[in-house]
Amino acid sequence: DAGVIQSPRHEVTEMGQEVTLRCKPISGHDYLFWYRQTMMRGLELLIYFNNNVPIDDSGMPEDRFSAKMPNASFSTLKIQPSEPRDSAVYFCASSLEGKSLLEAFFGQGTRLTVV
Amino acid sequence: KQEVTQIPAALSVPEGENLVLNCSFTDSAIYNLQWFRQDPGKGLTSLLLIQSSQREQTSGRLNASLDKSSGRSTLYIAASQPGDSATYLCAVRGVRIQGAQKLVFGQGTRLTINP
Repeated sequence: DAGVIQSPRHEVTEMGQEVTLRCKPISGHDYLFWYRQTMMRGLELLIYFNNNVPIDDSGMPEDRFSAKMPNASFSTLKIQPSEPRDSAVYFCASSLEGKSLLEAFFGQGTRLTVV
Repeated sequence: KQEVTQIPAALSVPEGENLVLNCSFTDSAIYNLQWFRQDPGKGLTSLLLIQSSQREQTSGRLNASLDKSSGRSTLYIAASQPGDSATYLCAVRGVRIQGAQKLVFGQGTRLTINP
């Protein structure tokens, strides 16, 4: 398997614009997580899905953030409108219950810069 | 609320030394603990996963230990090499109740191995 695939790798956008980040989890995994990493706050969980259903979105900072998982192989994280303080690296991770004990595998991340 | 602390924040040692990275967590009711490596500008690579019932896990020159009762884990790196230079992150997963499958991360230890 190619691992967790995120796109784009880098995104530079102007304040107020809509940003959509994409993630393809490892095939067969039943959990998908969106994290944000900043120097100040480290890695923070934004939201996670189990079998395409959002389970915990308590980490989503504001209503400007939304996430969807329309099927088992695709998820999006959308920010509308974007603000400079949203600049960070956004990671997607997936895992599988059972023998793998929910071991998490991360994508390469999307570095978002809002100017 | 689970909190994960990693000490030291940064460590620089000469090549060939054995070293220990520390991780502590406040809530001992964990499902498992995972150590990751992150290279600059890259995603997270899973190194070792320890179940709550285990005391240690080994992979090559890496050995991770877990003392759940005291809320501590260590990552031991033997015969360090310049290629081991990276940030090492410890993450804890809570007990398996609704909403507890998420990982809580420490801030990481930035390791530099000097040739």
